[in-house]
Amino acid sequence: EIVLTQTPDLQSAAPKETVTITCRANQSAGNSLHWYQQKPGQSPTLLIKYASQPISGVPARFSGSGAGTDFTLTITRLEAEDSATYFCHQTKNLPWTFGQGTKVEIK
Amino acid sequence: VHLVESGGGLIQPGGSLRLSCAASGLSVSNNYMSWVRQAPGKGLEWVSVIFNNGNSHYADSVKGRFTIARDNSKNTVSLQMNSLRDDDTAVYFCARGTGLNFWGRGTLVIVS
Repeated sequence: EIVLTQTPDLQSAAPKETVTITCRANQSAGNSLHWYQQKPGQSPTLLIKYASQPISGVPARFSGSGAGTDFTLTITRLEAEDSATYFCHQTKNLPWTFGQGTKVEIK
Repeated sequence: VHLVESGGGLIQPGGSLRLSCAASGLSVSNNYMSWVRQAPGKGLEWVSVIFNNGNSHYADSVKGRFTIARDNSKNTVSLQMNSLRDDDTAVYFCARGTGLNFWGRGTLVIVS
């Protein structure tokens, strides 16, 4: 099973700052790594698919990079509405798995 | 695209429950359809997927207890959950794709 470990668990940043969330896999996930945003009481929404492919309708300040075992989600010019929990997810191997989540708070 | 889950509720340990996901705007037979759950205050846990070729797969935590199926005529995906345990308590989401690009609002299952 591919285990995904996100760092940090909690990130606090001020508006307009840049936030970087890392997702590390214990074995190669290729580029089959996706990122989601979840706000309290809501369903997750897809931000980035296949490591770096943008999703229509998602603000351009969200970007993804990486391949293999190390992946990054970057949020530039942080806005108040970006306060949420972010999850990575791999579909390289079954069983599919999620990272434990990173909560982003706005100062 | 809309996915609407139903069938959740309060069930005693050892009991069974069947969740349903009604899809509109897409054909479940042509898509990968997954169930993902989230225990109260916890992260996301992938549960099961049924591929467009009909093959299905499960997380180890539910293998042998849960069964995913689809009804092409009704355009629905179901999750039959047997031998339920306390730690199956969660909101269960239906989602589509590999990058899961459409999600339902979820249905709450409480095993107690």
